[in-house]
Amino acid sequence: DARVTQTPRHKVTEMGQEVTMRCQPILGHNTVFWYRQTMMQGLELLAYFRNRAPLDDSGMPKDRFSAEMPDATLATLKIQPSEPRDSAVYFCASGQSGSQETQYFGPGTRLLVL
Amino acid sequence: LAKTTQPISMDSYEGQEVNITCSHNNIATNDYITWYQQFPSQGPRFIIQGYKTKVTNEVASLFIPADRKSSTLSLPRVSLSDTAVYYCLVGAYGNKLVFGAGTILRVKS
Repeated sequence: DARVTQTPRHKVTEMGQEVTMRCQPILGHNTVFWYRQTMMQGLELLAYFRNRAPLDDSGMPKDRFSAEMPDATLATLKIQPSEPRDSAVYFCASGQSGSQETQYFGPGTRLLVL
Repeated sequence: LAKTTQPISMDSYEGQEVNITCSHNNIATNDYITWYQQFPSQGPRFIIQGYKTKVTNEVASLFIPADRKSSTLSLPRVSLSDTAVYYCLVGAYGNKLVFGAGTILRVKS
């Protein structure tokens, strides 16, 4: 049963520290999405990639957030420096373009910035 | 991006059929309608997708009228485990999807 994996599952850090979240998409999927979910804002799309190229990162605060896909099996989302308002659950999802565009979500990384 | 409107919450009892309607008045010709389900502490999960008329799978049915300005997700004989948030999304293949607030479905015994 292929799944999207995310690490770490939980992260507690102090304001100003760098946070790196990793995602392994389902093998063969060519599209990767990063979402952030909070009670106040709901699910927000931060960025997404197709064939490792960034297609849209307009939802991401550019001054502190960065997203990359070093290879087809790894996507990263970095926050530097982190702030308390970044506390949220960060979801990665992957999909295969042209196949109903179904997104398969990972379990999420629960981030708490103190 | 087509804007969607769903009820904020719904209550039901076990064994009943639940219908959640989503309005998307400015849906575009190339847009598909997709529904996701999210349980607490989990990521959303794809339920069903359609373009027009009716689509049915082992989990749910999706009814889309001819004008496509709305859609209805139908869950037959719900159980307590169907308590979740249900999202309606509209978008074309290759374009990003925007999750709205969703509908909180509470199933009671």
